[in-house]
Amino acid sequence: DAGITQSPRHKVTETGTPVTLRCHQTENHRYMYWYRQDPGHGLRLIHYSYGVKDTDKGEVSDGYSVSRSKTEDFLLTLESATSSQTSVYFCAISEPDVSYEQYFGPGTRLTVT
Amino acid sequence: GDSVTQMEGPVTLSEEAFLTINCTYTATGYPSLFWYVQYPGEGLQLLLKATKADDKGSNKGFEATYRKETTSFHLEKGSVQVSDSAVYFCALSLIGTASKLTFGTGTRLQVTL
Repeated sequence: DAGITQSPRHKVTETGTPVTLRCHQTENHRYMYWYRQDPGHGLRLIHYSYGVKDTDKGEVSDGYSVSRSKTEDFLLTLESATSSQTSVYFCAISEPDVSYEQYFGPGTRLTVT
Repeated sequence: GDSVTQMEGPVTLSEEAFLTINCTYTATGYPSLFWYVQYPGEGLQLLLKATKADDKGSNKGFEATYRKETTSFHLEKGSVQVSDSAVYFCALSLIGTASKLTFGTGTRLQVTL
């Protein structure tokens, strides 16, 4: 299995509070992604990174920001959590120079009350 | 825009039955196609892939053929097992798009004894 960890694995927070989710990889892959998974929607891309300090938006980026200060870490921040951001969040990595495959982390279940 | 359409689930089969999960796509370019599987409580794992027309991806008894003329990538298995119970996602990726994946909504498969 690809070395991808996510923390925390579960979190319950209140509306209006900031939340940061962390993705850590040991594979030295250039690309990292954040997806959210919701019933009836599959997985949707929030943000992605193609290198240290290089990030771009996905299809559902509103209300989220990301940072990547090291190759191995990609942080997703909800500046002010809302109930609509209750979801399961997955991090993924890839190295497009080698293959198109993405490798996924175990997920973080976030509940905003 | 690009999209993937999967048959709605759940699909319930008896062990050793034949499985087909339909997947069709629309894409602005020439995509690579993937099937991912998600077991309960886990992240997504790549099941198989195909990168050009008429390619057949296969793994663990599952197969899917890239049909450009019908824009389809249907997943098949000749004899399912209880351990195949999971959610299956069809996805596409286009060259030059940072390997971003566009997912279908997923199809839950339940296999019973």
